[in-house]
Amino acid sequence: DAGITQSPRHKVTETGTPVTLRCHQTENHRYMYWYRQDPGHGLRLIHYSYGVKDTDKGEVSDGYSVSRSKTEDFLLTLESATSSQTSVYFCAIGRTADNEQFFGPGTRLTVL
Amino acid sequence: GENVEQHPSTLSVQEGDSAVIKCTYSDSASNYFPWYKQELGKGPQLIIDIRSNVGEKKDQRIAVTLNKTAKHFSLHITETQPEDSAVYFCAARRGTGGFKTIFGAGTRLFVKA
Repeated sequence: DAGITQSPRHKVTETGTPVTLRCHQTENHRYMYWYRQDPGHGLRLIHYSYGVKDTDKGEVSDGYSVSRSKTEDFLLTLESATSSQTSVYFCAIGRTADNEQFFGPGTRLTVL
Repeated sequence: GENVEQHPSTLSVQEGDSAVIKCTYSDSASNYFPWYKQELGKGPQLIIDIRSNVGEKKDQRIAVTLNKTAKHFSLHITETQPEDSAVYFCAARRGTGGFKTIFGAGTRLFVKA
């Protein structure tokens, strides 16, 4: 998976609790992305980063925040998890904005 | 907003036959069109991509065609094999402010031996 790891790989949590997902890359790529994958929707962009401390919203950013304090790590936080955030979350990296994106193995999150 | 429609949602073919998946996009500024293959429990992997200045691209048994006027592009897999069974996603990305890639909903391909 192109030097991308995601942790945890599986998580079950309760409504209202905070959750942080981690994406770690060893490729030194500038761009990092968080997507969620739901049946019938393909992949939808939550947030992305174009450098350390440079982040912006995607198309489904409500209820999520991100942080990138160093090149290799991109964190996705659900401040107060809801059942609608039950999904599979994928991190992706890209060398430039115009190049292909490489995806991590995913994190399956269940919010009860 | 921008949208990518993908058809069919499920496709079943006999081993050795061809498979075709079609996508239509709405954003006329899109200029990069990747295709991803996703196997069970794994992340999507890029299998082929095409840019808007090219009408067709081939890589062994896989080919992609692009019709910019009609805003549609297709994936063609020839001589299908059981290991081609997976979910395939098309996507479209605009060349400026190019962070936003819009994905189709996916096609589940079954190749029967």
